[in-house]
Amino acid sequence: DTGVSQDPRHKITKRGQNVTFRCDPISEHNRLYWYRQTLGQGPEFLTYFQNEAQLEKSRLLSDRFSAERPKGSFSTLEIQRTEQGDSAMYLCASSLGSSGSTDTQYFGPGTRLTVL
Amino acid sequence: AQRVTQPEKLLSVFKGAPVELKCNYSYSGSPELFWYVQYSRQRLQLLLRHISRESIKGFTADLNKGETSFHLKKPFAQEEDSAMYYCALNGKGANNLFFGTGTRLTVIP
Repeated sequence: DTGVSQDPRHKITKRGQNVTFRCDPISEHNRLYWYRQTLGQGPEFLTYFQNEAQLEKSRLLSDRFSAERPKGSFSTLEIQRTEQGDSAMYLCASSLGSSGSTDTQYFGPGTRLTVL
Repeated sequence: AQRVTQPEKLLSVFKGAPVELKCNYSYSGSPELFWYVQYSRQRLQLLLRHISRESIKGFTADLNKGETSFHLKKPFAQEEDSAMYYCALNGKGANNLFFGTGTRLTVIP
């Protein structure tokens, strides 16, 4: 499968614990996005990378959230001191990064986080 | 502020009947509009975008700037169209998609 992959697919943790998710984009894509989706809602944008540079961050991304893309390839999203409100599906997407109009974002399967 | 409204959470139609999934948006500039679809147990994927003006799987969507709408239409629904459909907006020069809450379409055999 050459699509976007995410690991783990499911994570159950206790409140207060730290969790880290990984996203591997499509190999030639230089843009990478993180979204969060809660029950009954559409995906909500969290942050965006162009290569290794984090260029946009949503107000949803509190200080407990940090994302990295150290070599411009895979990315990690860490949540510190998890809260029950962090329970959601975390989606990663990647795109080629061509100039002009918005390029197509390809989504991964998501990581479902449950905070007990 | 940008906003995407999908007024119907659930929509059921009979096979062969026309289907229209509504999407209205609010954006001060010139947005790009998209429809994404998620079939059961599959990942979210792009269905179509207003710039390409394509028909994908028999679906079309026309951007109506006067009514700020981007409704998704298909003249004859098929059972395999049953899925979750999300309308999304991207502001010009922006790099993030803003999604509506989605409409679950069920095509009844």
